[in-house]
Amino acid sequence: GAVVSQHPSWVICKSGTSVKIECRSLDFQATTMFWYRQFPKQSLMLMATSNEGSKATYEQGVEKDKFLINHASLTLSTLTVTSAHPEDSSFYICSARDNPGSTDTQYFGPGTRLTVL
Amino acid sequence: EDQVTQSPEALRLQEGESSSLNCSYTVSGLRGLFWYRQDPGKGPEFLFTLYSAGEEKEKERLKATLTKKESFLHITAPKPEDSATYLCAVLSARGGGNKLTFGTGTQLKVEL
Repeated sequence: GAVVSQHPSWVICKSGTSVKIECRSLDFQATTMFWYRQFPKQSLMLMATSNEGSKATYEQGVEKDKFLINHASLTLSTLTVTSAHPEDSSFYICSARDNPGSTDTQYFGPGTRLTVL
Repeated sequence: EDQVTQSPEALRLQEGESSSLNCSYTVSGLRGLFWYRQDPGKGPEFLFTLYSAGEEKEKERLKATLTKKESFLHITAPKPEDSATYLCAVLSARGGGNKLTFGTGTQLKVEL
């Protein structure tokens, strides 16, 4: 149980284009999903918290207009990197929380490797 | 500000050589401490959640323990397939209890 998928697993795009990454909870409903970014040899940095049916909460220093998050259903959240530039190249990982207030455990997706040329 | 420090940064063990990984933390109102395993190029895989000092959890060759200041991940008789980066994270009551603060991980290599 508690499986989270991400699509695509990797993407290469040209500078200035937008890229959408999907995060799905496959066997549970997630009212809250999270988006992280991870640079090589570094740990995970939370970018934003996504709540179903409401606006995402962004961490300090994360541009809301650049990283658009939509959480339209209890099993799907999307992250759109708008007008991507080479410095946006990174490993993006989502997580979903199962049964909030009970275990508080976040289950992570396999990640999406974004390369911007 | 919540802080998590993991040590050592890297650890090399021979197969069967037991050892422990350390996670020291400072947090305002601990709601949970989490251990994850991360393989290269993949997302973290959930291992354990610990909630209060004195709690212990086991899974196969892994055992996690928790005190008021730190957590240990004990690896008994490790195998090469246990090679991975092990991440520790804390969840505090701060900010609505949503934000996980991660350590930088311990990179474990188990050799034959």
